[in-house]
Amino acid sequence: AAGVIQSPRHLIKEKRETATLKCYPIPRHDTVYWYQQGPGQDPQFLISFYEKMQSDKGSIPDRFSAQQFSDYHSELNMSSLELGDSALYFCASSLQGRTIISGNTIYFGEGSWLTVV
Amino acid sequence: GQQLNQSPQSMFIQEGEDVSMNCTSSSIFNTWLWYKQEPGEGPVLLIALYKAGELTSNGRLTAQFGITRKDSFLNISASIPSDVGIYFCAGPRGAGNKLTFGGGTRVLVKP
Repeated sequence: AAGVIQSPRHLIKEKRETATLKCYPIPRHDTVYWYQQGPGQDPQFLISFYEKMQSDKGSIPDRFSAQQFSDYHSELNMSSLELGDSALYFCASSLQGRTIISGNTIYFGEGSWLTVV
Repeated sequence: GQQLNQSPQSMFIQEGEDVSMNCTSSSIFNTWLWYKQEPGEGPVLLIALYKAGELTSNGRLTAQFGITRKDSFLNISASIPSDVGIYFCAGPRGAGNKLTFGGGTRVLVKP
């Protein structure tokens, strides 16, 4: 079965540069979530989109922005990169905006490794 | 805020052993999810628990949702080398689907 696809898998950028990560959700999933996982840390929620609208916001820096497109794929744009932005960035997707409590399941992609040097 | 505390932080397994790990919270969660993450990969959902007291199995994995809705455990029976990884508990916080993760339990193979 098709999973959540993220690209690129690895990315190396210099400080103050910009980076864009892409996420292609599971087919028919209309909700995407972005998480950041620092080395040895648990994933931290950044932002989510449902039907192309921002649905929730977490600890996303102002230097970051994201959007969901008409085909439901999403992009996370990161500007003025800092060394501390080095992390594994996960995208996850779910179906029809239903809540987890109702049995909706969230599936994660394999992540994009961002290294800022 | 809502936080999930996992224990132990790490454990060594020997093939064939049963292992157990816990997740606790000071706040009530209405759903508990258990994920496994291998190095450089995304978390993979193992078990989802939706009702207090629920006991659910997935192969050699068994998880229970505590009656108070403030804790859960995950058991792995007859462990095998490929059980190595980081196991996270997670739960939705707020009205939406954003997940709070525990700190993870790192499962390693005994040398």
